[in-house]
Amino acid sequence: AQSVTQPDIHITVSEGASLELRCNYSYGATPYLFWYVQSPGQGLQLLLKYFSGDTLVQGIKGFEAEFKRSQSSFNLRKPSVHWSDAAEYFCAVGSERGGNEKLTFGTGTRLTIIP
Amino acid sequence: DSGVTQTPKHLITATGQRVTLRCSPRSGDLSVYWYQQSLDQGLQFLIQYYNGEERAKGNILERFSAQQFPDLHSELNLSSLELGDSALYFCASSVLGQGNTEAFFGQGTRLTVV
Repeated sequence: AQSVTQPDIHITVSEGASLELRCNYSYGATPYLFWYVQSPGQGLQLLLKYFSGDTLVQGIKGFEAEFKRSQSSFNLRKPSVHWSDAAEYFCAVGSERGGNEKLTFGTGTRLTIIP
Repeated sequence: DSGVTQTPKHLITATGQRVTLRCSPRSGDLSVYWYQQSLDQGLQFLIQYYNGEERAKGNILERFSAQQFPDLHSELNLSSLELGDSALYFCASSVLGQGNTEAFFGQGTRLTVV
């Protein structure tokens, strides 16, 4: 069965600093991987996705993520965070049944930005 | 705006009651998913429908049921409600049959059982 681990429950960074959120997955084949962001009281917004091809994927809001098969990781990065990036971030892996017919989510990482 | 509409946004009800959550998928999406987000369980997949048929089932309780109608909207029915059912319920939709699809999430329905 697939699973996702986000080892950091809470991360605090200064505005303008770089950010890396960790995600490790367990999956039997080539995974479909996603990062979603959830702002307080809001739904989930897709930041970026990896299905195949280039292992460095670009997303919205200046985020990128790198798929590393050897490490079973899909870490999310941003070179310079903004106060508006404060939110909860979820990594997810798609189902073994083809596309993303169901998603298995990690427990999330809460990002706090300090001035 | 993801294009997925969920109603109501908030719902407060008593234990033992039954409620219905509604989801309208994005135009053209045939697949609807329901997820539950709670503090202790995190985001959990409940059930998926594709073009009116149940496609996949996750950790959905027997007290819960769902269906997808011919116009593709979906309803999640929660009955004999318990305090522990208090959670944020998300609906998502996607186009199946393509390898590079993604799920778009609604804003969620926050259910409070008192």
